[in-house]
Amino acid sequence: SQQGEEDPQALSIQEGENATMNCSYKTSINNLQWYRQNSGRGLVHLILIRSNEREKHSGRLRVTLDTSKKSSSLLITASRAADTASYFCATAPSGNTPLVFGKGTRLSVIA
Amino acid sequence: DTAVSQTPKYLVTQMGNDKSIKCEQNLGHDTMYWYKQDSKKFLKIMFSYNNKELIINETVPNRFSPKSPDKAHLNLHINSLELGDSAVYFCASSQALQGNIQYFGAGTRLSVL
Repeated sequence: SQQGEEDPQALSIQEGENATMNCSYKTSINNLQWYRQNSGRGLVHLILIRSNEREKHSGRLRVTLDTSKKSSSLLITASRAADTASYFCATAPSGNTPLVFGKGTRLSVIA
Repeated sequence: DTAVSQTPKYLVTQMGNDKSIKCEQNLGHDTMYWYKQDSKKFLKIMFSYNNKELIINETVPNRFSPKSPDKAHLNLHINSLELGDSAVYFCASSQALQGNIQYFGAGTRLSVL
């Protein structure tokens, strides 16, 4: 069953601009993760935010989590052409269950 | 050293054939997964094994049979391939089942003609 829904489905920006992607989910979670998938490759983990955290940073990535709204956002600052990829949020529901992935946002960064 | 490796990378076959995809992880993880990613990039979990035992078996046709000879390997055998089986299949592993970070293989692109 699908938990996370990313928004927008596709995003096209110029190099140097910031990119924001959103994820909404339905049930309570232990943590929420963001993954990147380059074309023709497997998913790569970017960042994990726990349910008791509100914001987390990793390099040019900033993730926020609002458990009251059941939503998260991923901000990529000063985007580069190499950031072109699909980005997936994955929620870890409470209980002994695996991650549930959303449908992803396709980000295109134009040089 | 590739953490999660799956073979083959590409698989082109005729309808009705039987094929296998192999996956190995060298991370010492207890849990392994098979996912199917369709043309719209939707990633759907198929199976999950924890220490060689089947934990999750989503609604997948019984033509798909996973096998885990040890906790470092999870292979996927598909009988009587159908056109709708065409997709990219990903193997992944994590330290444990609950909410852990997953490490993915590069994928196997299966084309059924």
